[in-house]
Formats: sequence, C-alpha cells, structure tokens
Amino acid sequence: EAGVAQSPRYKIIEKRQSVAFWCNPISGHATLYWYQQILGQGPKLLIQFQNNGVVDDSQLPKDRFSAERLKGVDSTLKIQPAKLEDSAVYLCASSFVNSYEQYFGPGTRLTVT
Amino acid sequence: AQKITQTQPGMFVQEKEAVTLDCTYDTSDQSYGLFWYKQPSSGEMIFLIYQGSYDEQNATEGRYSLNFQKARKSANLVISASQLGDSAMYFCAMSFFTGNQFYFGTGTSLTVIP
Repeated sequence: EAGVAQSPRYKIIEKRQSVAFWCNPISGHATLYWYQQILGQGPKLLIQFQNNGVVDDSQLPKDRFSAERLKGVDSTLKIQPAKLEDSAVYLCASSFVNSYEQYFGPGTRLTVT
Repeated sequence: AQKITQTQPGMFVQEKEAVTLDCTYDTSDQSYGLFWYKQPSSGEMIFLIYQGSYDEQNATEGRYSLNFQKARKSANLVISASQLGDSAMYFCAMSFFTGNQFYFGTGTSLTVIP
C-alpha cells in the first residue's frame, strides 16, 4: 500500500517569494492534515480537511498561507510571501474519518533565506 | 486549553536496557486519546502506540508500552530492550474524539549507546 506522498522534499527560497507544497494522501483517507514543524519543536496543525471541506484552520496564518483540496484527494499548501520564520518542515498526514491513527508523509523541508 | 508537556529534551540509554520517556498532559475533556510517535533523522513520523482515556489497561505494542496514569495526567512511554535503531525523536500527542485534532509535545531525543 502506498503511503502519503509529498513533494518537493526540499525547497530553498528567498524571503518574499512564494512556494507551494503538494500532498497525495493514502487512498481512501478522507481526512488530510497539514502541519508545520519548526526545528526543535513538535508539529503544529495548520489546517485539517475532511474530503474537500475545511474542518479546522484556526492556526493557519491566513494573510500569507492558503491551502486547498479541490477534489477531496490531493492538497496544495501555498505560502505567499514567505518570511524567514516560515523555515520549517511541512508535514502532510491523512487518516480515515474518525480514526485516531494518522499516517504521515516524509515532509517538505523549507528554508527561507 | 489543551497542553502536552515533555520535560526531557534528551535521554541516553544503554543498548538492551529499558527507558521511560515522560509525558504529561492537561485537558478538561473526559474523552481523548494519547499517542506516541517516533521521528527518525529522515523526518517521517511513525505511529508507535495509542491509549484511549477510557481504556482501563495500559496499551502495549511489542517493545513499547504506555504507562497511563489518568489521575496524574501522565502517559509515559516505556521502551524495553532498547536497540540502536530506537535512536530518534519521540513525540507525545493528544487528540480529542470531536474533530481529530492533534496536539504534540516538544519531543524527547533518545540516543541508544552500544
């Protein structure tokens, strides 16, 4: 069974540039999560989708971050414009609805210079 | 507000010995789940073990066991017979049955010494 796929694995950009990350969840998983993990910290939930609807985006900095999951499968997370403090690993995870077990992708390591 | 606390930034253990990683939590909810994840240097988060707030017995999964003390709001992870491959970051997390939201602690770095 294929796991959660993410791309790119690494990205280096300058501040004020834009960047997009892609996630493909495990087949059949209706719930998809995006997390931000700053070095030395635990992951912080940015946004949670169920199918193509947003369940929780309370910690998403909406002035610069956006996310979509148009067809209820793949998802894209965008940052525009990026700031130095956005340097982090961005993790995507998926799960069945109402399941406690989340499966994580390998993450995208973003460096903003 | 929900909160997860891991007070051990780094731990060392001799190979084949047991080690306990501490986790305390704070919530006023009665229904919640507690989790431990392993994050190797490669970066992926690997699910290890789960304990529900209403489970009366401590969860076990192979060499991993969760020492759940509800009154003290602690959910410590015990790894028995440590192996070199256990060297990684370990995160404690909590979720609630309404919404599937996860809250992670700051992690404990475990190093297994040969």
